[in-house]
Amino acid sequence: ETGVTQTPRHLVMGMTNKKSLKCEQHLGHNAMYWYKQSAKKPLELMFVYNFKEQTENNSVPSRFSPECPNSSHLFLHLHTLQPEDSALYLCASSHPRVGLANTGELFFGEGSRLTVL
Amino acid sequence: SQQGEEDPQALSIQEGENATMNCSYKTSINNLQWYRQNSGRGLVHLILIRSNEREKHSGRLRVTLDTSKKSSSLLITASRAADTASYFCATPNTGGFKTIFGAGTRLFVKA
Repeated sequence: ETGVTQTPRHLVMGMTNKKSLKCEQHLGHNAMYWYKQSAKKPLELMFVYNFKEQTENNSVPSRFSPECPNSSHLFLHLHTLQPEDSALYLCASSHPRVGLANTGELFFGEGSRLTVL
Repeated sequence: SQQGEEDPQALSIQEGENATMNCSYKTSINNLQWYRQNSGRGLVHLILIRSNEREKHSGRLRVTLDTSKKSSSLLITASRAADTASYFCATPNTGGFKTIFGAGTRLFVKA
């Protein structure tokens, strides 16, 4: 138990479906992240939220829409995805950056395995 | 471009042997971190080494950092079958939120 919970763990969807991934953290962190992990590729940073404000959007297609209603919850809304979007989507959280004192250690959830048919 | 690159991509050893994984990175860093991932699961933080440190130990883990060569190594001593996993180095950028991961080394420890 890492303190970061992702649901669902597995999701199969068609290209015309709309679904959402949910992430919740109980660690008192203020920064939350979405990473994408595809087979044989490094983890790709998708979005970063710090104190509910989006600070990074790593050129992610608009069919992925993040939402951060508060510092404990993060969603990834999915719409008209492509088969190449099939991957493991990982949520992580960390303390906010405070100069050099913060190490930037990330705490990950178990991931949501997405398959797009 | 990718910040960290691990070497080798895959490593297969017998239980009891030591496993060494290497990581190279491209820019200046404040610290370097190693994570472990069991198949299909999330990543778990293992150990962190700051830029002013050269070596760090944690249990059976030993990490070295050479900032002049922009490289780090992770040594797992007396490996166990339960160490079978993928291992990633990661470098957070100072002041920002971009932690970049390498492609990882897949370690298989045979019992």
